[in-house]
Amino acid sequence: DAKTTQPTSMDCAEGRAANLPCNHSTISGNEYVYWYRQIHSQGPQYIIHGLKNNETNEMASLIITEDRKSSTLILPHATLRDTAVYYCIVRVASGSARQLTFGSGTQLTVLP
Amino acid sequence: DSGVTQTPKHLITATGQRVTLRCSPRSGDLSVYWYQQSLDQGLQFLIQYYNGEERAKGNILERFSAQQFPDLHSELNLSSLELGDSALYFCASSVGSQWSYNSPLHFGNGTRLTVT
Repeated sequence: DAKTTQPTSMDCAEGRAANLPCNHSTISGNEYVYWYRQIHSQGPQYIIHGLKNNETNEMASLIITEDRKSSTLILPHATLRDTAVYYCIVRVASGSARQLTFGSGTQLTVLP
Repeated sequence: DSGVTQTPKHLITATGQRVTLRCSPRSGDLSVYWYQQSLDQGLQFLIQYYNGEERAKGNILERFSAQQFPDLHSELNLSSLELGDSALYFCASSVGSQWSYNSPLHFGNGTRLTVT
């Protein structure tokens, strides 16, 4: 399974776009990029996933580089409620629960 | 709201005791997953049940056990509790027997267990 590297922490001003990077240089052709977030002491929340095309939903946008070795999660207008730990996970399309592991993630703090 | 319900929200107990945590999955989801998150630790997968049967096992201690009932709710039993068992315990659910890109896990808000 591809390993991911994320910054430990980031700050963002309220109302501005938050851009959270993730490196996954060993990603395989059949592996997806998933993003989850965990607001303090709450359960992780699924945000978005992608294979190679850029994706957008009501929560965020996911930009994947052409070589797929890195990606960026974009929260277009960050609010204080977006303060959370954001996890970038690279896994195949489906699999055993053992294969879905959460690393350390990026602590995003949205500042007023 | 993820649709996954966990009870109780908080639990305080003493070492050596036994507790039961309960999880009701989202309507229509057949799989239930249990995770443990200790202070400043990542989420550790414990065990998964699918339609009443154990499907996958992670780093679950022998003192811990789980089951899924015919109505699909699940219980995680923790016995001979130790101080180190203090943690957040999360339940998640999904439709199929495996998580997939079009069936992501949906997590509850967890049970905070404190062992004193």
